[in-house]
Amino acid sequence: NAGVTQTPKFRVLKTGQSMTLLCAQDMNHEYMYWYRQDPGMGLRLIHYSVGEGTTAKGEVPDGYNVSRLKKQNFLLGLESAAPSQTSVYFCASSNRGTGGSYEQYFGPGTRLTVT
Amino acid sequence: AQSVTQLDSHVSVSEGTPVLLRCNYSSSYSPSLFWYVQHPNKGLQLLLKYTSAATLVKGINGFEAEFKKSETSFHLTKPSAHMSDAAEYFCVVTRPGGYSTLTFGKGTMLLVSP
Repeated sequence: NAGVTQTPKFRVLKTGQSMTLLCAQDMNHEYMYWYRQDPGMGLRLIHYSVGEGTTAKGEVPDGYNVSRLKKQNFLLGLESAAPSQTSVYFCASSNRGTGGSYEQYFGPGTRLTVT
Repeated sequence: AQSVTQLDSHVSVSEGTPVLLRCNYSSSYSPSLFWYVQHPNKGLQLLLKYTSAATLVKGINGFEAEFKKSETSFHLTKPSAHMSDAAEYFCVVTRPGGYSTLTFGKGTMLLVSP
């Protein structure tokens, strides 16, 4: 089991460029998430998906789009990158656990710099 | 609505001394609570979770946390710090059952000196 993988690991973009971050999980999880992590801010949810073909906005969705065409993949897109999107991006996945709770499994992160 | 407050942004201890990382939560329902650890340049790893069973929860690497409803706290402890414990720790609250988003605290950086 690879768990949750993210590509790429690092990326530098110029303002206005676009890119797509790929997240893949091999645990057959229903739910997938994209977070961004900034110093002193903890993790903030960008978008999430509760199943194939469905997506929803999280806490900080502006400037991002997502797609979940296959259950195992969750893509995060930046159409026109801005310096404010410089961050570390984490993908996570989960299913409902015992006792009605669940834990999320995180990927290793993608460090994005926008100049 | 739910929120979580980690009371210290940084905690410094000496190797072999006890660790206490403090977390208070706010929730309009009985929450599920987690502690995650993040080592430098790594993803997040689950340390332990509380899901309305035993109030004292044991996790990996000798960590444990106690859920205290009357104090709305879920503090993380370890009897004896090890150098490898140096990392950032996140307290997380969520609503149990069904699907609900996680709410993360802002993190506590644990520094361990020899």
